[in-house]
Amino acid sequence: EPEVTQTPSHQVTQMGQEVILRCVPISNHLYFYWYRQILGQKVEFLVSFYNNEISEKSEIFDDQFSVERPDGSNFTLKIRSTKLEDSAMYFCASSFSGLAKNIQYFGAGTRLSVL
Amino acid sequence: GENVEQHPSTLSVQEGDSAVIKCTYSDSASNYFPWYKQELGKRPQLIIDIRSNVGEKKDQRIAVTLNKTAKHFSLHITETQPEDSAVYFCAAGNQAGTALIFGKGTTLSVSS
Repeated sequence: EPEVTQTPSHQVTQMGQEVILRCVPISNHLYFYWYRQILGQKVEFLVSFYNNEISEKSEIFDDQFSVERPDGSNFTLKIRSTKLEDSAMYFCASSFSGLAKNIQYFGAGTRLSVL
Repeated sequence: GENVEQHPSTLSVQEGDSAVIKCTYSDSASNYFPWYKQELGKRPQLIIDIRSNVGEKKDQRIAVTLNKTAKHFSLHITETQPEDSAVYFCAAGNQAGTALIFGKGTTLSVSS
């Protein structure tokens, strides 16, 4: 069964450093998402991406965040200058189209630890 | 924006009992309601979903009901098993393929 894959599984960084989290969505999916989950809390929406542009973003997704689809398979989330409060599990998700476009499949996540 | 409330936050049942988790939502434009199961340290896995044009959906031991008028939906698990132990999240979205707004989760513990 196709899966969303994310790398790395764990990323440790120093406060103020830039990080790039990588995702390979399911191959025929057209909609891509990033969510985050602070330890013990709910999953929070960050941004959705369709047709090479952001379609929706939350208040969390400020100027420090950016997303990119650099090629036909990867979808990345960049945090320009990490803060301690960015420490969380970051999930990538993707969905297909038509009636199935809101069925979102999640990757295993990248645990970001900002020291 | 949409707000999803989920209750209870923890639920402990004996193996074989039923478990019910309830969610309410605020945005009447929401019309897609999935439920995800998340085991410790793993990805959220979709277990069942319901769209606003139906009131109930069942898949083996799992069922979901939706009351659009009251803006609430519920997950029902019958004949619970220890492997059902996990955190369950409800969510609400719409058919534009945009954000899912999640509840805070319910930690279900099934003891044998």
